[in-house]
Amino acid sequence: QQQVKQSPQSLIVQKGGISIINCAYENTAFDYFPWYQQFPGKGPALLIAIRPDVSEKKEGRFTISFNKSAKQFSLHIMDSQPGDSATYFCAASGSGSSGSARQLTFGSGTQLTVLP
Amino acid sequence: ETGVTQTPRHLVMGMTNKKSLKCEQHLGHNAMYWYKQSAKKPLELMFVYNFKEQTENNSVPSRFSPECPNSSHLFLHLHTLQPEDSALYLCASSQLSGAEYEQYFGPGTRLTVT
Repeated sequence: QQQVKQSPQSLIVQKGGISIINCAYENTAFDYFPWYQQFPGKGPALLIAIRPDVSEKKEGRFTISFNKSAKQFSLHIMDSQPGDSATYFCAASGSGSSGSARQLTFGSGTQLTVLP
Repeated sequence: ETGVTQTPRHLVMGMTNKKSLKCEQHLGHNAMYWYKQSAKKPLELMFVYNFKEQTENNSVPSRFSPECPNSSHLFLHLHTLQPEDSALYLCASSQLSGAEYEQYFGPGTRLTVT
């Protein structure tokens, strides 16, 4: 019930195209859904995050779509650029007990390649 | 230094060696984490510390031993590791409460066990 399933494992997109990465979860106690971006040799960095009280959040070219009833959320990268080539991880966490650190459950990652 | 730093960046050790990984956060956070990242697998949470107190140990073998002397520093002591322990070890930090749930990651230590 703690799993977050991510697809596809790899994605190749032409410059200017739309990249779409999907995640599904089972634990209905999850209430925070971030996406992380990781470049080679670097740690993951938060890209964008959403809470289940909204169905969509947009920041620049990056949009999260959230479907609470289906327990799915997705990352859309509009006008994809070669600089977006990286590994993307979805994650989810619940509030846990008071005063405790939130634990993130990560998906297995999607390696995105944007061709020039 | 800013953000989360980790040293060393690369480590090669034999199965009988003892080594330590170091993490330091300069963000004023009060929670710190160790993760293991293996190829094509989700990040695996190993240990969580709140205010220097360990709160989670996700069934990690005893050959990994964490230490958190204060809220800014985190160590992972390694001994008698196995080749399957070769991976990228990531440290992260975050605030405990409020709206700031974001975990900030260091660049990781690439560990190779020979």
